[in-house]
Amino acid sequence: SQELEQSPQSLIVQEGKNLTINCTSSKTLYGLYWYKQKYGEGLIFLMMLQKGGEEKSHEKITAKLDEKKQQSSLHITASQPSHAGIYLCGAPTSGTYKYIFGTGTRLKVLA
Amino acid sequence: EAGVAQSPRYKIIEKRQSVAFWCNPISGHATLYWYQQILGQGPKLLIQFQNNGVVDDSQLPKDRFSAERLKGVDSTLKIQPAKLEDSAVYLCASSTTGQGNTETQYFGPGTRLLVL
Repeated sequence: SQELEQSPQSLIVQEGKNLTINCTSSKTLYGLYWYKQKYGEGLIFLMMLQKGGEEKSHEKITAKLDEKKQQSSLHITASQPSHAGIYLCGAPTSGTYKYIFGTGTRLKVLA
Repeated sequence: EAGVAQSPRYKIIEKRQSVAFWCNPISGHATLYWYQQILGQGPKLLIQFQNNGVVDDSQLPKDRFSAERLKGVDSTLKIQPAKLEDSAVYLCASSTTGQGNTETQYFGPGTRLLVL
C-alpha cells in the first residue's frame, strides 16, 4: 500500500526564519495536497500540485512537486507565529480516488 | 459559501456507550467522506459516500461503526459501543464529484471524541 512520509516530524523555529517540510511518497504521485491543521481541529486547504515541476505560492508559503523523486516540499519564508500548526500532505492513491495522508509536521514559531 | 459543518465539536463518553456525529457538506457537493484521526497520526478514511451510496467503507469497523447519508446531503456517523481506542478527531470532508485525482476535499472543523 502507498504511504506518505513527512519530515521533519516537528520543527521549532524563531520568528522570521525560513523552513522547509518534505513529503515523500512510496509510490508514484498523481497529485499532492498540502493542508494546515490546528491542534484537534479540521484541515485547511493550502494548495494542490498536479504536475511534476509545478510550483505554487500563497502568501509566504511555496510548494513544489518533484514527480521523479515522488516528493513534495513546502517552504515558508520569514515564518510568523500565525504559521504555527500541523502541516499535512495528502495524495490520491494510485488507481483510486482515495486519499492518504502523511503523519504531519508540527511547526512551532517562537516570537 | 458556507463550509463543511460538523457537530458536536467535542464529546466525552464512557466506554460501551454510543455516540453519533453529524456532518453537513458544502452545498452541491456530491461526495462526502468521514475520516478518523488519532492523535499524532494523519487522517484515515472510514467511509466515502457518492450522493447517498457508499463508494468505499473498507476501513470502517463495521461491528461497531455505522454511517448513513439517506438523502444524499447530510450524514451521520455512529459508534456503538465505543471503545477506548475510538478516542480521536472525526473529520468530515466533501468534494464536488469525488472523481478525478485532482479534486480538492474540503474539511469541517472535526468532532473531538474522548472515550473514558
